[in-house]
Amino acid sequence: GAVVSQHPSRVICKSGTSVKIECRSLDFQATTMFWYRQFPKQSLMLMATSNEGSKATYEQGVEKDKFLINHASLTLSTLTVTSAHPEDSSFYICSAPGDRDGEAFFGQGTRLTVV
Amino acid sequence: QQPVQSPQAVILREGEDAVINCSSSKALYSVHWYRQKHGEAPVFLMILLKGGEQKGHDKISASFNEKKQQSSLYLTASQLSYSGTYFCGTERTSYDKVIFGPGTSLSVIP
Repeated sequence: GAVVSQHPSRVICKSGTSVKIECRSLDFQATTMFWYRQFPKQSLMLMATSNEGSKATYEQGVEKDKFLINHASLTLSTLTVTSAHPEDSSFYICSAPGDRDGEAFFGQGTRLTVV
Repeated sequence: QQPVQSPQAVILREGEDAVINCSSSKALYSVHWYRQKHGEAPVFLMILLKGGEQKGHDKISASFNEKKQQSSLYLTASQLSYSGTYFCGTERTSYDKVIFGPGTSLSVIP
C-alpha cells in the first residue's frame, strides 16, 4: 500500500526556536496532505489542509503564522512550528487521502517536546 | 463537526465481545475505523462507504447505517492485542478531511 514517511519521529527543542516536520509520499503523489495534532489522551484534531501549489487551509483557532505549512511538491508537505512554546508540545501527524474507496495514509507521527 | 463515540472506555476479559459506536449529526460519505496504541500512529482497520455496508476481517467487523449516520465496530472473541484506543473518523464527501471522534479506550485483560 501507499506509504507516507514522516520525519523526525521525535524532536526536543528549546522554547522560542522553530521546528520543521516533513511528510513525504513515497510511492504516490499527494496533492493534499492533512495535518493533525494530538494531545495526550485526546483525539486527533485537524489543524490544516495543505494543497500542492496553493495556500494551506487552516481550521478555526489554528494560528497561521505559528504553524507554517508548505506543500512544495506532489511528494512533500512540511509543517514548521515557529517560536515554539511548551504548550506546543504534542504529537503531530500527517495524512494523505487515499483512493476513492481507500484508507487515509498516515505518517508515523512526530512527538514534539518544547523545553 | 466531531462525531460522537460510545462508550468512552471499556474493559474486557480475553474472549469477550465488544461494540463501539460512532454517530454523526451530519450526512456522511464514509466512516473510517482506526486503532491506536500508546505513542504510535493510528492503524487503519477499515473504511465503510455505503449505507448498510458491513465489512470485516478476522474477528473485527463494522457496519454503517447511512440513514442514521451511525457506524458500529464489533470485536468478537477479543485478544490481548486488541487493546488500544479506537477512533472512528468521518468524511462528508469523497477525498475530504477525516474528522475523528474522541476515541474509545479498550483494555483486554487475561
